[in-house]
Amino acid sequence: QQQVKQSPQSLIVQKGGISIINCAYENTAFDYFPWYQQFPGKGPALLIAIRPDVSEKKEGRFTISFNKSAKQFSLHIMDSQPGDSATYFCAASWGETPLVFGKGTRLSVIA
Amino acid sequence: ETGVTQSPTHLIKTRGQQVTLRCSSQSGHNTVSWYQQALGQGPQFIFQYYREEENGRGNFPPRFSGLQFPNYSSELNVNALELDDSALYLCASTSLGKANYGYTFGSGTRLTVV
Repeated sequence: QQQVKQSPQSLIVQKGGISIINCAYENTAFDYFPWYQQFPGKGPALLIAIRPDVSEKKEGRFTISFNKSAKQFSLHIMDSQPGDSATYFCAASWGETPLVFGKGTRLSVIA
Repeated sequence: ETGVTQSPTHLIKTRGQQVTLRCSSQSGHNTVSWYQQALGQGPQFIFQYYREEENGRGNFPPRFSGLQFPNYSSELNVNALELDDSALYLCASTSLGKANYGYTFGSGTRLTVV
């Protein structure tokens, strides 16, 4: 049973464009929704996270949008740059339970 | 502030052998989790250690075992290695019991079973 479904699997965006990655979850107990960025040969690094008491959180060029009723959340990368090319994972957890990850989205930003 | 360090970075083992992977948690963190990341997949939770006790386990067989030491570092042991155990093994540390905790991941150990 996949508790967090992520789409698309891969994404190609022009430099300066907006990258959008979506995730849907099943467990309504989840109360913590982070996004991780992973470069080849490295471990995932926390990018931004949100809790369900807000519908949006912005940090620099990265924004999480959260829709509690639809059980969906998404990552928006504004003004995408070639340095943003990486694999992005959404995840979810509740209380102090471990993170459940999506399968990842490979983002390529081309000039 | 030091991050999470894992050793070794790469390892090749033969089917049926045993392997031990090591992790030093980030300074100030008291909890270590281990994840298995197969190629092209998201990390899958193996187990978590808090105060030297296992306090959560994912869907992995008993041949996956671990330890946490008083300095919060940890080991992952895998017995009777199978070809499907080939993956990137990630260690993550955090501080349970503190609000707004986040997990810090190491760079992982790439295990290849031949």
